[in-house]
Amino acid sequence: AQSVTQPDIHITVSEGASLELRCNYSYGATPYLFWYVQSPGQGLQLLLKYFSGDTLVQGIKGFEAEFKRSQSSFNLRKPSVHWSDAAEYFCAVGESGYNKLIFGAGTRLAVHP
Amino acid sequence: GAVVSQHPSWVICKSGTSVKIECRSLDFQATTMFWYRQFPKQSLMLMATSNEGSKATYEQGVEKDKFLINHASLTLSTLTVTSAHPEDSSFYICSASGTGDTGELFFGEGSRLTVL
Repeated sequence: AQSVTQPDIHITVSEGASLELRCNYSYGATPYLFWYVQSPGQGLQLLLKYFSGDTLVQGIKGFEAEFKRSQSSFNLRKPSVHWSDAAEYFCAVGESGYNKLIFGAGTRLAVHP
Repeated sequence: GAVVSQHPSWVICKSGTSVKIECRSLDFQATTMFWYRQFPKQSLMLMATSNEGSKATYEQGVEKDKFLINHASLTLSTLTVTSAHPEDSSFYICSASGTGDTGELFFGEGSRLTVL
């Protein structure tokens, strides 16, 4: 069965510091992978996705993620965090594109000034 | 991006009553909508897939008679929690898939249900 693991429930970083949020997945075939961000009172917003091709994908708001098949990982990175990045981040894997997404438990990011 | 709106965003009801949550795609036609449930500090769990004009497909373990889903038009899907009980209290989120090549999902802001 498919599953997504986000090992870090909470992460706190200082503004301007670099960030890496971890995501590991379990899926038999080539996965469709996503990162979403959820801010209070707002719906989930797609940061980036990986379907195929270049394993380093660029997303919105300066985020990027790298698909590593050998490690079954799809970690999210940002070189310099802004206070507005404080939110909940979800990694997800899809069976076929966006259909029937399986979400990780989420990582709550706090940013210190 | 496209906008998906849920209403109400917050509802409190008495045990035994039914509650309807609406999910609307405001600026696109959504052939498919998904309903998720999110418990505190937990992930989103897919409840059902709703296709316009047909019966919803429920995930294993989700009671279809408890959570009635109707997708009567290309811009509206509704989730009705029937005879709600305190254990149904949760955050319910919908997402909609627009037509087009990307099939990207757009999420509503969620509806928090509290059953007393």
